[in-house]
Amino acid sequence: DARVTQTPRDKVTEMGQEVTMRCQPILGHNTVFWYRQTMMQGLELLAYFRNRAPLDDSGMPKDRFSAEMPDATLATLKIQPSEPRDSAVYFCASGFPPQGNTEAFFGQGTRLTVV
Amino acid sequence: GQNIDQPTEMTATEGAIVQINCTYQTSGFNGLFWYQQHAGEAPTFLSYNVLDGLEEKGRFSSFLSRSKGYSYLLLKELQMKDSASYLCAVRALTGGGNKLTFGTGTQLKVEL
Repeated sequence: DARVTQTPRDKVTEMGQEVTMRCQPILGHNTVFWYRQTMMQGLELLAYFRNRAPLDDSGMPKDRFSAEMPDATLATLKIQPSEPRDSAVYFCASGFPPQGNTEAFFGQGTRLTVV
Repeated sequence: GQNIDQPTEMTATEGAIVQINCTYQTSGFNGLFWYQQHAGEAPTFLSYNVLDGLEEKGRFSSFLSRSKGYSYLLLKELQMKDSASYLCAVRALTGGGNKLTFGTGTQLKVEL
């Protein structure tokens, strides 16, 4: 049963600390997305990759956020230093294999709380 | 850029039919998706339209008009478990990839 796996599920950290969130996309999916969801803003696109190459990270605060795909099985989202306003649920999604127009599948999310 | 609009909240009665509208503006349109999200959970896929017309899948149907930048999700025979947020998402070909952008979601409350 193919699924997108995100770790950790929950993270509580102090302001100023570095936070790293990890995502294992579904094998064969060539597009990986990072979203942030809050009650006020809904599901915001932070960055996305195609074939591991970053295509658009315009939704991400560049001074503190960074997203990478060191290999096809791992995508990371880092926040350094973290701030209370970064508290949100961060979702990773993968989809759009080359052979078909299928949907994007979401991981269970990382609930981040910065205190 | 992309602009996606959908109502914030809707309320309907169990057993009834509800239509959730979505309007969008984008360049490089390459498909429209509807997702369902229950509180505390991840969004899950409901339907996909890339050509004009109606796609039916059980109690759920989705319609697309590309010329009008308009879609709707139709839910029939509403059940209490259908209470959730419904997210409209537009896929656009841009910069060599498929960008997937979501609206803010419509919170549907199904009442007895």
